[in-house]
Amino acid sequence: EVQLVESGGGLVQPGGSLRLSCAASTFTLRTYWMSWIRQAPGKGLEWVANIKQDGDETYYVDSVKGRFTISRDNAKNSLYLQMNSLGGEDTAVYYCARGMWSSRLSAFDIWGQGTMVTVSS
Amino acid sequence: DIQMTQFPSSLSASVGDRVTITCRASQSIGNNLNWYQQKPGKAPNLLIYTASTLGRGVPSRFSGSGSGTDFTLTISSLQPEDFATFFCQQTYSTPDTFGPGTKVDIK
Repeated sequence: EVQLVESGGGLVQPGGSLRLSCAASTFTLRTYWMSWIRQAPGKGLEWVANIKQDGDETYYVDSVKGRFTISRDNAKNSLYLQMNSLGGEDTAVYYCARGMWSSRLSAFDIWGQGTMVTVSS
Repeated sequence: DIQMTQFPSSLSASVGDRVTITCRASQSIGNNLNWYQQKPGKAPNLLIYTASTLGRGVPSRFSGSGSGTDFTLTISSLQPEDFATFFCQQTYSTPDTFGPGTKVDIK
């Protein structure tokens, strides 16, 4: 079964850092644009960042620019999100998702199960 | 950024009902509109892409239509497993943005 599995979420204090990971199984990550999307409790979906197949291009929503860094290791078939200077507004379930087209803007056909990030003192 | 609105925000329906959900973009997005279904505690699942193409394994009772700024998702005969929240997403320009969701629950 094609799947993505996130890890690395947890409770972190305001101003702290966290690194999320997303591992792909039964498909090769290197051929896809990959994204992180988040969902605050009881709220809608917000695209956070994405990265090109070779990692040479990355894009972010304005609210995380300068604080979050998306990266990938195609040899390990994995995607990452380094989150720094976290605030309460970053509390959410974070999903990694596969773009189904070979372009930056794409529908997401495979999603991970999500990992919860809670920013609180 | 392109703003997406959905209506209604919630609706109650019975099994067998025909259900229609509307999504509107703040500017024309062509057919660059996708629909997702999300059940509680689960990740979203792609239902329809490019406004009207059914996703892999999605039942034919789901259909999508529209172009430009106005789009609809229709469930022809609501089934028990369809009760969920539905989101639209535009992939016309960065950042891609989602609608606020429409929750469909049991009447």
